[in-house]
Amino acid sequence: AQSVTQPDIHITVSEGASLELRCNYSYGATPYLFWYVQSPGQGLQLLLKYFSGDTLVQGIKGFEAEFKRSQSSFNLRKPSVHWSDAAEYFCAVGDTGGFKTIFGAGTRLFVKA
Amino acid sequence: NAGVTQTPKFQVLKTGQSMTLQCAQDMNHEYMSWYRQDPGMGLRLIHYSVGAGITDQGEVPNGYNVSRSTTEDFPLRLLSAAPSQTSVYFCASSWQRDTYEQYFGPGTRLTVT
Repeated sequence: AQSVTQPDIHITVSEGASLELRCNYSYGATPYLFWYVQSPGQGLQLLLKYFSGDTLVQGIKGFEAEFKRSQSSFNLRKPSVHWSDAAEYFCAVGDTGGFKTIFGAGTRLFVKA
Repeated sequence: NAGVTQTPKFQVLKTGQSMTLQCAQDMNHEYMSWYRQDPGMGLRLIHYSVGAGITDQGEVPNGYNVSRSTTEDFPLRLLSAAPSQTSVYFCASSWQRDTYEQYFGPGTRLTVT
């Protein structure tokens, strides 16, 4: 069965510093991969997605993610974090054979001044 | 467009009570789903629908019923609430079943005492 692991429950970075959030997945075929962001008290918003093609995908708000098949990873990066990026981030994998999306447990990002 | 709307925003129930969480979308999306979000567990799929009249179970369907009589609406019913159903519930929809780019509502925070 497919699964998603986000090893870091929370991460704290300084404003202006770079960010990398880790995501590992388990899936038999090439998966559909997503990163969503959830601001406090809000629903989830899609940051970016990977279906096929270029393994480096660009998203909104200056985020990017790289699909590495050999490592079963889809890490999210941002070169310079802003205080408004403080939120919870979810990695997810879509079941290409069905209609289900499996979410990771999430990583909460804290940004310090 | 209002996107995905959910009512109510907050609800407190006593054990054994029943209620319906409402979800509506105005984007003519085929696919709709219900998730529950619990700390440290990410989002777990409860039920989903690929079109009017078609529903199926997700990862944690016990204690919940759904129906899809129209494209726009996808209510979630709790038949006999239990404290284990205390959670935040999110409804989501997507335009095409094979893109999995889901749009989320703002959530309903439910407490069962």
